[in-house]
Amino acid sequence: AQTVTQSQPEMSVQEAETVTLSCTYDTSESDYYLFWYKQPPSRQMILVIRQEAYKQQNATENRFSVNFQKAAKSFSLKISDSQLGDAAMYFCAFPDSGNTPLVFGKGTRLSVIA
Amino acid sequence: DAGITQSPRHKVTETGTPVTLRCHQTENHRYMYWYRQDPGHGLRLIHYSYGVKDTDKGEVSDGYSVSRSKTEDFLLTLESATSSQTSVYFCAISEFASQTQYFGPGTRLLVL
Repeated sequence: AQTVTQSQPEMSVQEAETVTLSCTYDTSESDYYLFWYKQPPSRQMILVIRQEAYKQQNATENRFSVNFQKAAKSFSLKISDSQLGDAAMYFCAFPDSGNTPLVFGKGTRLSVIA
Repeated sequence: DAGITQSPRHKVTETGTPVTLRCHQTENHRYMYWYRQDPGHGLRLIHYSYGVKDTDKGEVSDGYSVSRSKTEDFLLTLESATSSQTSVYFCAISEFASQTQYFGPGTRLLVL
């Protein structure tokens, strides 16, 4: 079975600093998407960023970027200039195999310290 | 925001009673999903649908059934609710299974 591992249950960062959340996964597929979702206290699941595995360039969305290392099956999320509104649970996800539903990691709870 | 609604948003029920949760979309996406979220487990897939009357089981399908008679509606039924089914339930949609999923606001269910 495919798995997604987020090894950091909790992390904290000072406001305006940079933090990196880690995610590793296991797949035999060669072409797939990877996702980071954010869940603030409101519980709404929000897509943060998406990476296509066949693209060598790391995806970037404003202050959010990924460090995608395909060979190592690693997909980390970097948040720059952290803001209080970034405090949330963050989940990484990817499809189990081929065109199948996403499998989610257990999440990392990020706290932002003012 | 993707047009996804869930009803009810909150429900308290008693053990042994049937419960139906509804997910409604206005995006005409083919795939619809039901997840449950529990502390320490992240999101776990219960069932999903890839078209009208086409459904499949997920990781934690025992005790749950689903139906999809229209593209826009996906129903999750707990035939006889148990306390272990106390959870937050999320519906999601996507155009393809392996691509971006968009989530509804969630339903908090408490089974006493």
